[in-house]
Amino acid sequence: GESVGLHLPTLSVQEGDNSIINCAYSNSASDYFIWYKQESGKGPQFIIDIRSNMDKRQGQRVTVLLNKTVKHLSLQIAATQPGDSAVYFCAERTGGGADGLTFGKGTHLIIQP
Amino acid sequence: NAGVMQNPRHLVRRRGQEARLRCSPMKGHSHVYWYRQLPEEGLKFMVYLQKENIIDESGMPKERFSAEFPKEGPSILRIQQVVRGDSAAYFCASSPLPGTRNTGELFFGEGSRLTVL
Repeated sequence: GESVGLHLPTLSVQEGDNSIINCAYSNSASDYFIWYKQESGKGPQFIIDIRSNMDKRQGQRVTVLLNKTVKHLSLQIAATQPGDSAVYFCAERTGGGADGLTFGKGTHLIIQP
Repeated sequence: NAGVMQNPRHLVRRRGQEARLRCSPMKGHSHVYWYRQLPEEGLKFMVYLQKENIIDESGMPKERFSAEFPKEGPSILRIQQVVRGDSAAYFCASSPLPGTRNTGELFFGEGSRLTVL
C-alpha cells in the first residue's frame, strides 16, 4: 500500500483563516519530505521541504511540521487566500535510492469567501 | 530560463495505437523522472533517467511501456498498444543532481494528458 497518505481528501476554509493539511507516512527510513501544490490542469509546484533531522521549517506564509515519533507531517498556511485553492501533496524520499519521491493522494483545499 | 516542457499537452489515441510523450528538462538538468497521475490520485513514480541511461524503472509496467533520454533531444515516454487504463496525466520532472544526493526537489512540467478511446 501507500507509504504516504493524507487524512482528508478535502479541506474547506474561510478566506483569511489558517489552513492545516495533514499527512501520515509509514516509512521510518524516509529522510526528506516535500509539500507540493497542484492547481487544476497544471503540474505540481514546490512549496516547502524539510529534512528528517528537523521538526519545523517556515517559509513565506507556510510552515511545515514534522513529528517523527508518530510519523506525521503537516502543512500550515497562514491567512489563506483564494490563490491557495489547489490540491496539496506531501511526498517523501526514502533515502539511498534514485527513484525520486513517493507521493500521497492529496488534499483538495477549498477557499470559501 | 524555460521550465520543464512537455508535449503534447493533450493526446487522444484509440485502443491499440501508440502514444509518444516528450519531455525537455530545464536547462542544465540532466536527470529526468516520469510520473503518472490518475484522476483524483497522487503521482506514481514510473522511471528515472539520466542522459542515455535508465537508472530506475521499477515503477514502469513491464510490457508496452518504455522510456529513453538520448544524448541529444528530449526524453520520450512511449506506450505501445494503448488500452483505456492508460488514460492518465503523465508528468515529467527534472533535477540538476542525482536523486541520491540532491535536495529532492523536482521541477515538474505541465503534464501530458492521454485519453484512450
